[in-house]
Amino acid sequence: TQLLEQSPQFLSIQEGENLTVYCNSSSVFSSLQWYRQEPGEGPVLLVTVVTGGEVKKLKRLTFQFGDARKDSSLHITAAQPGDTGLYLCAGAGTNFGNEKLTFGTGTRLTIIP
Amino acid sequence: DSGVTQTPKHLITATGQRVTLRCSPRSGDLSVYWYQQSLDQGLQFLIQYYNGEERAKGNILERFSAQQFPDLHSELNLSSLELGDSALYFCASSVYSGLSSYNEQFFGPGTRLTVL
Repeated sequence: TQLLEQSPQFLSIQEGENLTVYCNSSSVFSSLQWYRQEPGEGPVLLVTVVTGGEVKKLKRLTFQFGDARKDSSLHITAAQPGDTGLYLCAGAGTNFGNEKLTFGTGTRLTIIP
Repeated sequence: DSGVTQTPKHLITATGQRVTLRCSPRSGDLSVYWYQQSLDQGLQFLIQYYNGEERAKGNILERFSAQQFPDLHSELNLSSLELGDSALYFCASSVYSGLSSYNEQFFGPGTRLTVL
């Protein structure tokens, strides 16, 4: 069974601070996606990383895929209240018929104005 | 707006009943996935259809079934409902065909099912 552990589970920081969320697994994934989810709504795709060591930037958000494609991190610079939400990493399998997403345990982020 | 639509948004029913959840994928997407999100289990994969055929099964109960129609919309049928089936049910779609490593899935707004 593929499992994705996210840390921290909860994070509450002041506006303007930087933070990093980690997503770790013992399994290799063909791709890893980061989503943000608001209460009662569907997850919204932020980014997809595919290549080991890949780094992608989305404004103040920086995503990195581990060299072995087993882990990933999300770094937010100068956090803003609009960044508040549930952040989920999700890994996709490598085999035919294994394209489902395995979701991480989630990080609930609160940015205090 | 992801382009994936789900109906209804809310559903309240009683134990033992049967309900049908509907999903329309993004235009051009052939794969449809169903996920269940509960407080204690997080987001769990239920089942995937690709171009009308079942492609993969996850933690889907025997009381649950799904299908994908020729117009590519999908329905998830939940029967003999129990209190523990109360959850958010999401549909996602992707254009993924199994020929590349990219499998971006786009989620609908979900259906909140409450079983009383």
